[in-house]
Amino acid sequence: KAGVTQTPRYLIKTRGQQVTLSCSPISGHRSVSWYQQTPGQGLQFLFEYFSETQRNKGNFPGRFSGRQFSNSRSEMNVSTLELGDSALYLCASSLGQGPAYEQYFGPGTRLTVT
Amino acid sequence: KQEVTQIPAALSVPEGENLVLNCSFTDSAIYNLQWFRQDPGKGLTSLLLIQSSQREQTSGRLNASLDKSSGRSTLYIAASQPGDSATYLCAVSGGSYIPTFGRGTSLIVHP
Repeated sequence: KAGVTQTPRYLIKTRGQQVTLSCSPISGHRSVSWYQQTPGQGLQFLFEYFSETQRNKGNFPGRFSGRQFSNSRSEMNVSTLELGDSALYLCASSLGQGPAYEQYFGPGTRLTVT
Repeated sequence: KQEVTQIPAALSVPEGENLVLNCSFTDSAIYNLQWFRQDPGKGLTSLLLIQSSQREQTSGRLNASLDKSSGRSTLYIAASQPGDSATYLCAVSGGSYIPTFGRGTSLIVHP
């Protein structure tokens, strides 16, 4: 079974631009969560999608948004990029929603904002 | 607000040693605790998931224990190998369903 895939793997953007990251979950998994990892803040939860609906949201500004499609694939969008948005963005999929289900992570997208 | 602390932050040991990594959390009302490893610049690999009703989980040379009442978990690595070198993260999920991660323990096992 293929693992979680994320595209692109690396991205360089300029302040003020916007960016869209993509995540394809493991086949059969219906929940997708997004995380931001930085040296300063560690790994922080962004949001979780299940059945095309956002179920949980972390403490991030509205510039961070996401969506999930009917095939469970998910996209994350960051508008008006800031230097502080430079990070490794990880997505994780699980069979169902909530902590009872084990999460499987993708390799991440490394975003650099200049 | 849940806070997760991992001690030590870094560890360097010779091959063959048995290791204990610690994870503590402030709110004992958790659903589960999960241990991950992360190789440099890569995603997370799930090692062990302990539900709140369980006391421990084992996988190969790894054993994780959970003591909810004291807010602690330990990850025991037996007979460490250079391939175990990575950062080990623990994450707890509570009533909000939002997982909280520790900052990790960076482990180097040298031959």
